[in-house]
Amino acid sequence: GENVEQHPSTLSVQEGDSAVIKCTYSDSASNYFPWYKQELGKGPQLIIDIRSNVGEKKDQRIAVTLNKTAKHFSLHITETQPEDSAVYFCAAKKNNDMRFGAGTRLTVKP
Amino acid sequence: DAGVIQSPRHEVTEMGQEVTLRCKPISGHDYLFWYRQTMMRGLELLIYFNNNVPIDDSGMPEDRFSAKMPNASFSTLKIQPSEPRDSAVYFCASRPNNNEQFFGPGTRLTVL
Repeated sequence: GENVEQHPSTLSVQEGDSAVIKCTYSDSASNYFPWYKQELGKGPQLIIDIRSNVGEKKDQRIAVTLNKTAKHFSLHITETQPEDSAVYFCAAKKNNDMRFGAGTRLTVKP
Repeated sequence: DAGVIQSPRHEVTEMGQEVTLRCKPISGHDYLFWYRQTMMRGLELLIYFNNNVPIDDSGMPEDRFSAKMPNASFSTLKIQPSEPRDSAVYFCASRPNNNEQFFGPGTRLTVL
């Protein structure tokens, strides 16, 4: 089955700096890659996603890149703000099977 | 839409008791998923339904766990009897017939 690895497990940045979280997946048939943000006491919230026929997608301060050949994808957050502090999960989906990474705890220091 | 609704938000029970978690998916969503989240194992898929029919329950840890979806707007996850190692946050999620999946707020279960 699919195996998703996520790095780093924790990330601390200064407000205004950029943050990058990376994930790799094992099944080349996976074709959908969402990113979720989970705040304390809440469920994961979809923030951006990318499909396998696209290499990059951007939405304001967040962007995701996908390298199908290398089977890795990344989340980029620019101009980070304290409210970006949360746990971020990547996932890879094939058919109805979606596997999640272990999560990255991002802390943005004011 | 109010999003995925789960109840209760918190549940504290004693070992051996039956626990029932409830979920109301987003109207019109064909798929419903139950996940368990722990520090040690992260987000694990327990079971999912398509059009109220259980499709894959290979993630259900033991026979003590069961899930039902009697209609398109309601699902339950039952643990009987509960054990301390079942303590976790249980999430329900739903999605329409595309990729975007939406999570509920979760039920934090503590089994003493």
